[in-house]
Amino acid sequence: EERLVESGGGRVQPGGSLRLSCEGYGFIFSDYWIHWVRQAPGKGLVWVSRIRGDASGATYADSVKGRFTISRDNAKNTAYLQMNSLRVEDTAVYYCARLGVGDTGLDPWGLGTLVTVSS
Amino acid sequence: QSALTQPASVSGSPGQSITISCTGTSSDVGGYYYVTWYQHHPGKAPKLVIYDVSNRPSGISDRFSGSKSGNTASLTISGLQAEDEADYYCTSYTNTYTYVFGTGTKVTVL
Repeated sequence: EERLVESGGGRVQPGGSLRLSCEGYGFIFSDYWIHWVRQAPGKGLVWVSRIRGDASGATYADSVKGRFTISRDNAKNTAYLQMNSLRVEDTAVYYCARLGVGDTGLDPWGLGTLVTVSS
Repeated sequence: QSALTQPASVSGSPGQSITISCTGTSSDVGGYYYVTWYQHHPGKAPKLVIYDVSNRPSGISDRFSGSKSGNTASLTISGLQAEDEADYYCTSYTNTYTYVFGTGTKVTVL
């Protein structure tokens, strides 16, 4: 079964840092773009970042550019989202997803990991 | 990167058809055939229902269909069923090599 599992969420103070992980199972991890998407409590889905399969390219939403860094270690079948200078408004469930269907279809998705930024 | 505009809620009776709109700009929806739709039940992982404007992934009912005209994409659910009650989000590739999601639509089956 092809699946993704996120980890690393937790509670952090404003200005702090956290690194999320996204481990892939059941497929050739290095063949696929990995995306991060978040959902703040009671709000909608928001695209955060993506990284190419060979890690040669990445893009970011304006809201996180300069603060978040996406990376991956294909030997470990894992992608990462390093989050620095965290703000209260970064509080959300963070999902990772694979670009796996057609040119734009994200599938599968992980179940998400909760990040809470609060003093 | 403003969110694409979707109606906050759409409702219908079992068996009816509903359509959810997703309006963007020429920099996203209107500029590419890269619109996707996701079904999201709270507490679960989002599920892909339409990709590349109008294609259904394997295992998705043919009651789901997608289309696009200009800067507006649409998702139609025909033969509405109780299990279709969920939040639905569109998303599009953009001219800055990023993606943008819609504001989300809550579908209620009456």
